[in-house]
Amino acid sequence: DAKTTQPPSMDCAEGRAANLPCNHSTISGNEYVYWYRQIHSQGPQYIIHGLKNNETNEMASLIITEDRKSSTLILPHATLRDTAVYYCIVRLPFYGGSQGNLIFGKGTKLSVKP
Amino acid sequence: DGGITQSPKYLFRKEGQNVTLSCEQNLNHDAMYWYRQDPGQGLRLIYYSQIVNDFQKGDIAEGYSVSREKKESFPLTVTSAQKNPTAFYLCASSIDRALLGTTNTDTQYFGPGTRLTVL
Repeated sequence: DAKTTQPPSMDCAEGRAANLPCNHSTISGNEYVYWYRQIHSQGPQYIIHGLKNNETNEMASLIITEDRKSSTLILPHATLRDTAVYYCIVRLPFYGGSQGNLIFGKGTKLSVKP
Repeated sequence: DGGITQSPKYLFRKEGQNVTLSCEQNLNHDAMYWYRQDPGQGLRLIYYSQIVNDFQKGDIAEGYSVSREKKESFPLTVTSAQKNPTAFYLCASSIDRALLGTTNTDTQYFGPGTRLTVL
């Protein structure tokens, strides 16, 4: 089972920031937080990941709370092409002894509206 | 995506037939994975391979088989023993062992998927 909880859906106006929350209250010390998104009928696309510190890349920012029990994915200027299902996943790294697979929950369906 | 290809995009199969789905990557990744996705559901792991000539069963391996003869390729065969094969199949790869120990971790990158329909 997924170890994360996300709202089933969110709306965002085009050009505004989209803030997608994720709760992972049972996360262990060496588990990473990963975010992927999936546009209908396509393979999941990697967005960003982090362990403790906030992270930023060209797609998004990831804010992880100090206790690591929750995180927020921020798309700074959402466009219509950002409409997708966003998945928050916690997992051990492959070399941490896990089989390395990703366990996807139901995710958040983000609808960006003009 | 980004160096992982899957073919075909759509595949139709008659009941009782075996069918093989292709997955190729040019990312120099050592690990490869096969997942299955049913409508409105998350991904479930079928098989994975951490290195050439070795693979392990995932959570739902029954009715499927794989091979890993080359680093770049990890084909999945859906056999007639798979009771409900209609689904979206996704291949992923991760880890260039030569980069382990740098800032790179084992992020998985996915192919575009193959949608299999059993008629």
